[in-house]
Amino acid sequence: QSVLTQPPSVSGAPGQRVTISCTGSSSSIGAGYDVHWYQQLPGTAPKLLISGNSNRPSGVPDRFSGSRSGTSASLTITGLQAEDEADYYCQSYDTMLSGYVFGTGTTITVL
Amino acid sequence: QITLKESGPTLVKPTQTLTLTCTFSGFSLNTSGVGVGWIRQPPGKALEWLAHIYWDDDKRYSPSLKNRISITKDTSKNLVVLTMTNMDPEDTATYYCANRPVGKNWFDPWGQGTLVTVSS
Repeated sequence: QSVLTQPPSVSGAPGQRVTISCTGSSSSIGAGYDVHWYQQLPGTAPKLLISGNSNRPSGVPDRFSGSRSGTSASLTITGLQAEDEADYYCQSYDTMLSGYVFGTGTTITVL
Repeated sequence: QITLKESGPTLVKPTQTLTLTCTFSGFSLNTSGVGVGWIRQPPGKALEWLAHIYWDDDKRYSPSLKNRISITKDTSKNLVVLTMTNMDPEDTATYYCANRPVGKNWFDPWGQGTLVTVSS
């Protein structure tokens, strides 16, 4: 059960800027819980991409950035590259569920 | 370096009980603040958090599955076990375990995952 909503797909040409939204509720993102983002390349396990709304773990290119506002968050890729084709998931915590929640997932296609 | 690896049956029959083991290295579940979670992903679908166990044996479960799952740890063997009863074909998924770093609410790193198919 996903309680964070993402667009199913986003596409862009190489070099373009794309943004993925992640909409939660007053019991998750709106309650102040941080949002984290994962990248899942085809056939592989998810990998942490952004932690604590906007922090890039070591090794993540700086073309990836994140932000959070109100009950939503977003992931932006500036300068899209072919290797960015993957599924992306947001994740937070929900106080009503007393557990972690993931987004519905977004597939990025590089045209 | 932290690594995790899931193991268990690849095929179970409907109504059977699934037992999966997560064997990890590079951290200890004796360390204050550490946790290990289980997350699953049906083929072509989104990630779903299932359960979590913390260093102090605090356990949390997904409300939609809490009547069917249990999570335990063996600190001396560095492993976490997920048990899910009354398996259904809709439980067919890749099951991942992942580390929750001290004091954080994200998962990093993840195991490679293990595909479990529920079919008669």
